[in-house]
Amino acid sequence: DAGVIQSPRHEVTEMGQEVTLRCKPISGHDYLFWYRQTMMRGLELLIYFNNNVPIDDSGMPEDRFSAKMPNASFSTLKIQPSEPRDSAVYFCASSLRGSQETQYFGPGTRLLVL
Amino acid sequence: KQEVTQIPAALSVPEGENLVLNCSFTDSAIYNLQWFRQDPGKGLTSLLLIQSSQREQTSGRLNASLDKSSGRSTLYIAASQPGDSATYLCALYGNKLVFGAGTILRVKS
Repeated sequence: DAGVIQSPRHEVTEMGQEVTLRCKPISGHDYLFWYRQTMMRGLELLIYFNNNVPIDDSGMPEDRFSAKMPNASFSTLKIQPSEPRDSAVYFCASSLRGSQETQYFGPGTRLLVL
Repeated sequence: KQEVTQIPAALSVPEGENLVLNCSFTDSAIYNLQWFRQDPGKGLTSLLLIQSSQREQTSGRLNASLDKSSGRSTLYIAASQPGDSATYLCALYGNKLVFGAGTILRVKS
């Protein structure tokens, strides 16, 4: 398997623009997680899905952030409008059975909002 | 709320040394604990997963221990190599995965 795939790997945008990050989990994994990593706050869970249904979105910072999982092989994290403080590395991860099982991480998307 | 602390924040050692990275946590009601490695600009690579019923796990030169009663885990790296240079993160599986801030390790040749 190719592992968790994220795109784009790097994104530079201007404040106010819409940003869409994409993730393809490992085939057969029922759980998908979105994380954000910054120097100040480290790695934080934003939201996770089970069988395409959002289970816990308490980590989503603001209404500007939204996530969807239209099918088992694709998820998006959208920021609209983006702000400079959203600059971070966004990771997607998936696991086979549950939020307590080993999670496999993608390479991340490095976002810079100017 | 689970809080995870990793000590030291950074560590620099000469090649060949044995070293210990520490992870402490406040809530012992965990399912599993996992150690990850992160190389600069890269994602996370799983190193060792310790289930809550286990005391330790070993893989090659790595050994991770878990003491839930004291809220501690250690990652032992034997005979360190320059290729071990990376950030090491511990993460606890409870209701959600909570990460420590990491230890930045540099092994000098």
